[in-house]
Amino acid sequence: DGGITQSPKYLFRKEGQNVTLSCEQNLNHDAMYWYRQDPGQGLRLIYYSQIVNDFQKGDIAEGYSVSREKKESFPLTVTSAQKNPTAFYLCASSNRVDEQFFGPGTRLTVL
Amino acid sequence: AQKITQTQPGMFVQEKEAVTLDCTYDTSDQSYGLFWYKQPSSGEMIFLIYQGSYDEQNATEGRYSLNFQKARKSANLVISASQLGDSAMYFCAMDYYDKVIFGPGTSLSVIP
Repeated sequence: DGGITQSPKYLFRKEGQNVTLSCEQNLNHDAMYWYRQDPGQGLRLIYYSQIVNDFQKGDIAEGYSVSREKKESFPLTVTSAQKNPTAFYLCASSNRVDEQFFGPGTRLTVL
Repeated sequence: AQKITQTQPGMFVQEKEAVTLDCTYDTSDQSYGLFWYKQPSSGEMIFLIYQGSYDEQNATEGRYSLNFQKARKSANLVISASQLGDSAMYFCAMDYYDKVIFGPGTSLSVIP
């Protein structure tokens, strides 16, 4: 089955530690996106990538980093510089801007 | 700057009734697209419906229809014959070049 997987579903980390969230897609999509969602709020774009080995900052990129070494994979690292990392993180992919497919999300809690 | 506004933080609807979720947007572009997504408590984002700015007819997908009024810059979602499973957060979104921006969402609760 084609789709997007994100792992893990729940992630706990100590303050000051870097953590990497996984996002994999087998839809052969060129573009991939990372969003952050805080309770009761909409999605905000962190980073996006239109092609392999290229990515752009979104609206809230500070404290995050990404890589796009393979078409299928777009991992997000939440660094210790991110002041308030506890949130729900959603990954998406698309071949057209009018059709984004989302993964199930990772809920990150920093203790 | 592009912006999406959803003025209803929470809505209630009786089962089997229709409900309208409001969405207004701000853009200076002539070509754009508007979306609605549903987010159940599980957190997944489910695509519901899409309307292109040049589409002359309002988009419909099953029980979902998009009431697109370009001059008013509004793109309201109408859900007909509400079901208990429709209880969720609903997000209006707009594509902007190669990105999508989201509104703050409306929480819909369907009452039996």
